[in-house]
Amino acid sequence: GAVVSQHPSWVICKSGTSVKIECRSLDFQATTMFWYRQFPKQSLMLMATSNEGSKATYEQGVEKDKFLINHASLTLSTLTVTSAHPEDSSFYICSAARDARPADTQYFGPGTRLTVL
Amino acid sequence: QQPVQSPQAVILREGEDAVINCSSSKALYSVHWYRQKHGEAPVFLMILLKGGEQKGHEKISASFNEKKQQSSLYLTASQLSYSGTYFCGTAETSGSRLTFGEGTQLTVNP
Repeated sequence: GAVVSQHPSWVICKSGTSVKIECRSLDFQATTMFWYRQFPKQSLMLMATSNEGSKATYEQGVEKDKFLINHASLTLSTLTVTSAHPEDSSFYICSAARDARPADTQYFGPGTRLTVL
Repeated sequence: QQPVQSPQAVILREGEDAVINCSSSKALYSVHWYRQKHGEAPVFLMILLKGGEQKGHEKISASFNEKKQQSSLYLTASQLSYSGTYFCGTAETSGSRLTFGEGTQLTVNP
């Protein structure tokens, strides 16, 4: 168990457009979902934490209006990159946890590679 | 605060052993270990909680020394499939988020 899916796997878009990425927990209910960003050969950088039914908590330096997060249900969270620019190109990974405590086990999705032209 | 992993990279031959360390300057509640292959998402390996846990699965095991705020991941009789980047994630309390180290790149050659 503990399978997390992401859609799409990759996306190429033009500068200025918005891109939505979905994260789903397939076989468990995720009280908490996390969104990470990873640049090549670098570590995972947490962008935001979202709990079902409440506003996401963003890490320092992450623009709330640019990276919109919606955690509509216990199995679905979405990340929308608004007005994407080339510097937003990255590997975006979500993870999900059964419990509300962030330190509990997180199960990662397969990631979405975003390329902004 | 980001934990420090060592070594940064290690190259092994199939069947050899390796140890990856993860250290923090702060007291930890838990340490999480993940393996990530190129272009893929991290895969959960194990979690160790404060109290001096040791865990293992097949030929991969880990220990957590909370006095030293250090965890070590042990890979014995390495297989080609062990290649990848290993990340440790640490949490200072049960309510705090995970902070990941820079990763250790492990390459296992035939």
